[in-house]
Amino acid sequence: QSVLTQPPSVSGAPGQRVTIFCTGNSSNIGAGYDVHWYQQLPGTAPKVLIYGYNNRPSGVPDRFSGSMSGTSASLAITGLQAEDEAEYFCQSFDITLSAVVFGGGTKLTVL
Amino acid sequence: QVQLVQSGAEVTKPGASVKVSCKTSGYTFTGYYIHWVRQAPGLGLEWMGRINPKSGGTNYAQNFQGRATMTSDTSISTVYMELSRLTSDDTAIYFCARVSFAGSSWYAWLDPWGQGTLVTVS
Repeated sequence: QSVLTQPPSVSGAPGQRVTIFCTGNSSNIGAGYDVHWYQQLPGTAPKVLIYGYNNRPSGVPDRFSGSMSGTSASLAITGLQAEDEAEYFCQSFDITLSAVVFGGGTKLTVL
Repeated sequence: QVQLVQSGAEVTKPGASVKVSCKTSGYTFTGYYIHWVRQAPGLGLEWMGRINPKSGGTNYAQNFQGRATMTSDTSISTVYMELSRLTSDDTAIYFCARVSFAGSSWYAWLDPWGQGTLVTVS
């Protein structure tokens, strides 16, 4: 059971917008710790997609954006493309556990 | 460029130990924490702990306290993760990852990651 909760799967047609939510509590996201998002393509290591709520590393298209509210964060992907099909993970820090925590991951399917 | 290259796949028996290496290059080894994260087949990411390569200081996740040992060798810019008393539940891909900026902050994200090392316990 992951500390951060994500939906197991989401899907959308090419060109559409999807949003992936990451729900925590007052010991992690709600405590003000940054949320980062990773994209993991099949058979590869995760790669940072969004850091510090809504910052994109160079090379990440602006179709990807992050936001947060209270004890939750979200990742929005607009203009879906086939290459976006991957697993997405959120990550933060939990002060009670004194540990880095991840969401369980969300598998994005582009229909 | 910054690179983390991990050792090859391991097959080991229940009750044994395994040691995975993570050789780094392209930056000042002693300036950045290295984290270890594992991923069981078809499952999510599980944080195991981190090491300060300069001091050797470590922080472990509760699930791995007393069973995981992270060490560093500054002479060859390499960190190690040893996991003991293995069971079939430890079958997973083990990743090392560098923090994004220098210092001990828990705010840093993990970038880049090693390619992963598959450990099979059978």
